[in-house]
Amino acid sequence: GQNIDQPTEMTATEGAIVQINCTYQTSGFNGLFWYQQHAGEAPTFLSYNVLDGLEEKGRFSSFLSRSKGYSYLLLKELQMKDSASYLCAVRVSNDYKLSFGAGTTVTVRA
Amino acid sequence: DSGVTQTPKHLITATGQRVTLRCSPRSGDLSVYWYQQSLDQGLQFLIQYYNGEERAKGNILERFSAQQFPDLHSELNLSSLELGDSALYFCASSPGTGGLRTEAFFGQGTRLTVV
Repeated sequence: GQNIDQPTEMTATEGAIVQINCTYQTSGFNGLFWYQQHAGEAPTFLSYNVLDGLEEKGRFSSFLSRSKGYSYLLLKELQMKDSASYLCAVRVSNDYKLSFGAGTTVTVRA
Repeated sequence: DSGVTQTPKHLITATGQRVTLRCSPRSGDLSVYWYQQSLDQGLQFLIQYYNGEERAKGNILERFSAQQFPDLHSELNLSSLELGDSALYFCASSPGTGGLRTEAFFGQGTRLTVV
């Protein structure tokens, strides 16, 4: 089976930075995705890493270390609307069968 | 709006019953994926279809089945429903079978409540 771990909850203040870690042990690796999901809504794509390093996209950045089985999502200049669940997902083969972590609920406080 | 349409949005049914969830992928997408999300578990991959054929199977129960039609819409059939089947069911679509940087787009989900 696939094992993907991320913290259950995180709380941060508006304007601050939060880093959500994800570690994975999977039978294969063909990319790591981060999705944002507001309660009761569809997951929306945030970022994708397949090579080691940092991918930056506006206020969101994602980092990958394949040798360590580790990724993080960095959210900068937090806004209230960033309160959501953040899902780490690993694609283990060449299709789109994703294995998801349980998600990290981020609460942004004023 | 992701372009993926799921119907119905909400469904309440009794144990033992059978329901059908429908998904229309984004225009041009050939792959459809079904996921289940319950309160105590994350998103669980159920099954993938590509251009009408089953491509990958996850933790899908034998009571569940799916198909993809020639117009590429897909249906997920859930039978002999149990209380534990209550969950959000998401459909996602992507252009091909994967490939680098291919992201999937999720529909808004069908919330199934079994009473």
